[in-house]
Order: sequence, then C-alpha cells, then structure tokens
Amino acid sequence: DGGITQSPKYLFRKEGQNVTLSCEQNLNHDAMYWYRQDPGQGLRLIYYSQIVNDFQKGDIAEGYSVSREKKESFPLTVTSAQKNPTAFYLCASTHAGTGNYGYTFGSGTRLTVV
Amino acid sequence: SQQGEEDPQALSIQEGENATMNCSYKTSINNLQWYRQNSGRGLVHLILIRSNEREKHSGRLRVTLDTSKKSSSLLITASRAADTASYFCATDMNRGSTLGRLYFGRGTQLTVWP
Repeated sequence: DGGITQSPKYLFRKEGQNVTLSCEQNLNHDAMYWYRQDPGQGLRLIYYSQIVNDFQKGDIAEGYSVSREKKESFPLTVTSAQKNPTAFYLCASTHAGTGNYGYTFGSGTRLTVV
Repeated sequence: SQQGEEDPQALSIQEGENATMNCSYKTSINNLQWYRQNSGRGLVHLILIRSNEREKHSGRLRVTLDTSKKSSSLLITASRAADTASYFCATDMNRGSTLGRLYFGRGTQLTVWP
C-alpha cells in the first residue's frame, strides 16, 4: 500500500547535537512538507519542497535544514541552533499542481531534548 | 501567522448527537480543507471544499463554506465515541502558483462520550 513513513517514532537529543528525522513516501507525490506541532498549537511549516533539489523555507525554518535528493525522500535535520526543538514533527506530501489535493501525513516523530 | 482559527477550542457531546465546528480565516483562499488527528498520530485528510463550492458531503460529514464571511463549518452527524479526536481546518491561499501550502488553525478537540 502507498503511504508516507516517518522514522523514528521517538527521538531523544542531547544539547548541542544534530539529529535527522526521516520521511519517505511511495505515493509518487511531487511536493513534500515538514510541520512542527506544539501542545495547544496548530501546525507550523518548517520547510517544503516541490521538486527534487529544490526547497523553500516555511515560517519557522531557523535551526532546521532539509535536502531533497530523491523524489521519495525529504529528511529534516534539527541542528544545535534550534534552541527549543522538543515538539512533534509531521511530514506530509501531496501532488503538485493547482493545489486542489489534500495532504497525506506520516505518523510523526516526537523529539525530546534530554 | 495563523490563517484559520477553529471554534470552539473544545467540544464535548454524547454519542448520537451532532457536532459542529467552525473555522474562520482572513484572506482569500483557493480551497479549505478539514483534517482529523487522533492523539499522538498524524493528520488524516477528511474533505476539501473549493472556493467556488458552498457545501460538500462525505458520509456523516457535511462541510459548508461562506466566502463572503470567510468562514467554514464541519458538521459530524450521529457522532460516535470513535470520532473523538482533534479537528483542524487548513486554508490554501495558493494564488495561481503551482505549489499550494496550507495554513492550519489550532484545532477543535472533540470528545464524544458513550
């Protein structure tokens, strides 16, 4: 079955450490997104990508980095510059085009700073 | 900045009752979408309504859109305990570009008691 897979489900980061969250989809979607969700908050966009080797900053890109070397994969690195990384991270994908498609979300990665 | 805002923040009802959630937004949209999120999980796309549509149905879901008031409502009829979840509206302000990005509200937490 087609879908979008995020790993790991839980991740612990030490102070000053970079960590990478994985997002893989086999839906043949062109566009991929990373969102951050904090308790009681909506989803905030970190980065998004429409095509391979191209991506744009979202609303809260500082302290994060991404790559899009393959259509299927859009990993997110949380760098040591991100001062408050504890959150629930969600990856999503959709068809590119006129925007009349819903997003498919992964099951999320919960990142905790220890 | 947040584009969509849901109301109420929390809603508690008995099984069999109808649940109505509202969403208001600020600027012109291409479409508006509703998503559901079970605790600790990813979001699931429920329904998309385009700016030139006024009402859509999907099973027990009914969505309305009033672009003059910049508002939408999600009605869940004959609710079940399994409908307990957070519900988010998301607006696509894509203005003709080939990539739509969604703006999410903070969500309505729906609890359905058996």
